[in-house]
Amino acid sequence: SQKIEQNSEALNIQEGKTATLTCNYTNYSPAYLQWYRQDPGRGPVFLLLIRENEKEKRKERLKVTFDTTLKQSLFHITASQPADSATYLCALDERGSYIPTFGRGTSLIVHP
Amino acid sequence: DARVTQTPRDKVTEMGQEVTMRCQPILGHNTVFWYRQTMMQGLELLAYFRNRAPLDDSGMPKDRFSAEMPDATLATLKIQPSEPRDSAVYFCASGGGYNEQFFGPGTRLTVL
Repeated sequence: SQKIEQNSEALNIQEGKTATLTCNYTNYSPAYLQWYRQDPGRGPVFLLLIRENEKEKRKERLKVTFDTTLKQSLFHITASQPADSATYLCALDERGSYIPTFGRGTSLIVHP
Repeated sequence: DARVTQTPRDKVTEMGQEVTMRCQPILGHNTVFWYRQTMMQGLELLAYFRNRAPLDDSGMPKDRFSAEMPDATLATLKIQPSEPRDSAVYFCASGGGYNEQFFGPGTRLTVL
């Protein structure tokens, strides 16, 4: 069966360090992979999209990698700040589908 | 500042009552999604519209849920009759032709 796995345990890190979140998937052939941020009581907000033929994408302090052999995406936040504390969701767009499937998300807590 | 709006933001109702949730997608967006989010299941897709036509509602319990787009500025999700297990946050999202989605603030539904 198809599965998208994100660590259910919260990631706690110190301000200034790099946060790395993982998204693993099985039985998908994603054309795209997206990352969203969700704050409590709010809807998810789009951050980055990476295509299957791209290895890495950056946006300011954010970096996403996509390894279709390992079936894994890593999401990095460098020089993390307490304001980065939120839940981060990955979403896969299967080839031929316009409907992304979301993972359950990982909570990131950045301590001052 | 274009954004997706949803009403009501909070709804408390009794089992058996009809619930109607409304969404105004971003002007010019041609895709609309309805999701349900719970702690147990995460974000689940309920319905998907493209150019106002329903393309996927396989995630929706058909016996009690219905989704429509009477015009390009309004999407509705109805539950009749509502049950306690329907308690969740319901999100509407719209998209403009790329894969990223813009989420509304959600409707928090509590069915007693």
